[in-house]
This record gives sequence, structure tokens and C-alpha cells, in this order.
Amino acid sequence: QSALTQPPSASGSPGQSVTVSCTGTSSDVGGYNYVSWYQQHPGKAPKLMIYEVSKRPSGVPDRFSGSKSGNTASLTVSGLQAEDEADYYCSSFAGSNNLVFGGGTKLTVL
Amino acid sequence: QVQLQESGPGLVKPSDILSLTCAVSGYSISGTNWWGWIRQPPGKGLEWIGYIFYSGSTYYNPSLKSRVTMSVDTSKNQVSLRLSSVTAVDTAVYYCARLSTFGYAFDYWGQGTLVTVSS
Repeated sequence: QSALTQPPSASGSPGQSVTVSCTGTSSDVGGYNYVSWYQQHPGKAPKLMIYEVSKRPSGVPDRFSGSKSGNTASLTVSGLQAEDEADYYCSSFAGSNNLVFGGGTKLTVL
Repeated sequence: QVQLQESGPGLVKPSDILSLTCAVSGYSISGTNWWGWIRQPPGKGLEWIGYIFYSGSTYYNPSLKSRVTMSVDTSKNQVSLRLSSVTAVDTAVYYCARLSTFGYAFDYWGQGTLVTVSS
């Protein structure tokens, strides 16, 4: 299984919206509604932000939303805030009880 | 509150076995959740290693399967990872995490432990 493809970087100004993509195949992203997104600040453990494509765990602001179309999933952060600056990773179920992560996207708040 | 704490040697010699333990508090590992290991080489992305159920059932990343062994100790409420024949490419921060009961998502993570493979 190959890593999911994410853009290395993304950026936006405070208050703006930014979308991060995560492209896989029909064997992972496109085949299951089990896409998750994680936020990771430097030196910290990842934090679950989105699961099952578009669901938010308790405590995650509704500024974070997820969607999927075909083999590509997306994370949108609306109303960007300084604390949203972090690395974001997608992951997907890939069949046969396998999981695969994306390469990560560094989100910069300008 | 669910808490996970990884522990183990921070330095391992090439060709040796990397052994880590994840102590879970605030939650029984004998419940309905699977428990996973994920690693992150310095400056790089996350890689799923595998996950284990309290019964001992396991699923491993096919790329690591030949070298990985996971186990559970329900009496100590902890899970363990062994990675054999390590090389420099196995240098990484190793995280343990709880797999949520829905969505194949990791909802609780340890703080991670850096393991360096070097002679």
C-alpha cells in the first residue's frame, strides 16, 4: 500500500478558509468512508480532528470540516486562527484491516 | 480520562530488537477497542505499524509484518511492540494510540518516545 498524497504545504490569512486535499485510490479513500484527519503541533502527538470523512469528535471546533469525492478527501478549515497553524495528516482504511496515512501538509497562517 | 504512556530504550543498536511498552491508564485495554502503534521518523510523516486486541489478535502493516510483534498484558493494562533487525531507517518517534470503536481513527495518543538506531 502506498501513502496517500497530500500537498506539502497550504496557507491562508486569519479569518480565511483553506482546504487540504488527500488523494488515494479506490482501494482506500475511494472505497471506504473511513477517512480521518489529524492535527499535529511541533513536538506534540497528533490529535484527531475528523473521523468517518466528516464527523467531528467532541471538542473539535466546527470550523473544521471534512468531505470526500471519489478518491480524494478534503479537510477545510474555516475562519483560520493562529492556533490552526500545524501539520495535518489524513489516514484511510485500506482494506484487509490495513491503515494508510498521508504524507502530511504544513498549514501556515499568514 | 484515557492516558497512554510509551516507554523503552531511547537508543538501539543496528540489527538489535526495538522493544517498547505502552501503559494505559483510565481505561481498560480489555474492552472493545484495538490498540495501535504508529511511528514518525524525524521531520517526516506518520506510518501505521499495526494494532492489537486484548485477545491477542493482531494486524500489521504489510511492509513491516516480517519484523513486528505486538503483545498485550491485561494484568498490567499495557501493550507492547517489538521490532526486530532494526536499521537507521527505523529511527523515529513511536506512538501508541487507541483505535476508536468507529471509523478506524485513533482517538487517544501517547506523547511518543524517540528511538534512535545507532551503534
